[in-house]
Amino acid sequence: AAGVIQSPRHLIKEKRETATLKCYPIPRHDTVYWYQQGPGQDPQFLISFYEKMQSDKGSIPDRFSAQQFSDYHSELNMSSLELGDSALYFCASLIAGGYNEQFFGPGTRLTVL
Amino acid sequence: GENVEQHPSTLSVQEGDSAVIKCTYSDSASNYFPWYKQELGKGPQLIIDIRSNVGEKKDQRIAVTLNKTAKHFSLHITETQPEDSAVYFCAAKDRGSTLGRLYFGRGTQLTVWP
Repeated sequence: AAGVIQSPRHLIKEKRETATLKCYPIPRHDTVYWYQQGPGQDPQFLISFYEKMQSDKGSIPDRFSAQQFSDYHSELNMSSLELGDSALYFCASLIAGGYNEQFFGPGTRLTVL
Repeated sequence: GENVEQHPSTLSVQEGDSAVIKCTYSDSASNYFPWYKQELGKGPQLIIDIRSNVGEKKDQRIAVTLNKTAKHFSLHITETQPEDSAVYFCAAKDRGSTLGRLYFGRGTQLTVWP
């Protein structure tokens, strides 16, 4: 079965640089969530989109922005990167009106040097 | 917002034994409780979930129980195998809609010794 696709899988950036993470949800899934997971931590919700509109916002820094496109893929844009942004970034998708299951992608490991 | 607490943080069992992980939540309006298994370097994988109108759900060696009154739910793994070794997260869905965010517990590192 098709799963959530995230790219790139690994990303290394310098402080103050920018990064763009991409997420391709499971086909027919119209809702996308972004989570950040620090080392040894639980995933923390950043932001979500339903039908290309922001549906919820969590602890996402102002330096980050995200959007969902007409094909339902989503991009997380991160600017002025800081050392503390080093983490695993997961995207999850869900089909609204379905059950409740959020399916997670493999994640993007961002390292800020 | 919701607050999910998970215990224990680490759990070691012998192969074939059972493992139990417990979680509590704070928001009585939460109505969906998934469990995820995360292997090193991978994304969380949904292994079982339960809705608030059900007290217990079982899938082969894995079961989840929910006590709405006490606001706690538990994961039970029977006949554990070394490949069950991973970090397990419980979660509760934000109240209100199907689209709600998940609040996660801190995770349990399960180690199954052969």
